[in-house]
Amino acid sequence: NAGVTQTPKFRILKIGQSMTLQCTQDMNHNYMYWYRQDPGMGLKLIYYSVGAGITDKGEVPNGYNVSRSTTEDFPLRLELAAPSQTSVYFCASGVTGELFFGEGSRLTVL
Amino acid sequence: QQQVKQSPQSLIVQKGGISIINCAYENTAFDYFPWYQQFPGKGPALLIAIRPDVSEKKEGRFTISFNKSAKQFSLHIMDSQPGDSATYFCAASPRGGATNKLIFGTGTLLAVQP
Repeated sequence: NAGVTQTPKFRILKIGQSMTLQCTQDMNHNYMYWYRQDPGMGLKLIYYSVGAGITDKGEVPNGYNVSRSTTEDFPLRLELAAPSQTSVYFCASGVTGELFFGEGSRLTVL
Repeated sequence: QQQVKQSPQSLIVQKGGISIINCAYENTAFDYFPWYQQFPGKGPALLIAIRPDVSEKKEGRFTISFNKSAKQFSLHIMDSQPGDSATYFCAASPRGGATNKLIFGTGTLLAVQP
């Protein structure tokens, strides 16, 4: 089992560019999440999904969008990248009580 | 906004010593308290978790102590080893939170010196 797979692992964007972070899981979990991790700030929830076709905002959704067309995939879209979106992004899926995280995508916006 | 406060920000412990990380939450709407361990370049992974109906849970060298009245919980790592060097996050899940929307603390960077 691959678990949760994120791509790309690293990316540099210019201000104003857009991109999509890909996330796929093979554990058949209904719940999926996107977090961002900044030094000294812990993990902040961006968006989450409770199943295909259902998404909702987390704590810090501004500047991001998501979609969930299948159980396996939960891409995160960054529109008009800004320096404040420089961060490490983690996708996770889970069952009650436990989240399984991918290895992260490090994004730098210059 | 619901918050989980974690301390210390960093911790240095000698091999064989006890590592203690503390967390506090601000309201009683949480009913699940996990700890996650993160190694450099990796995603966090569940280490141990507790529900508020028990005061302590032990798994090997790792113990969670929970004080419901004080709204505090802590992670104790006994006989700390260099391989325990990692960042540790406490978290809390709101009651009735079927979506597992965990709220994380800010993390503690633990370094265990040989």
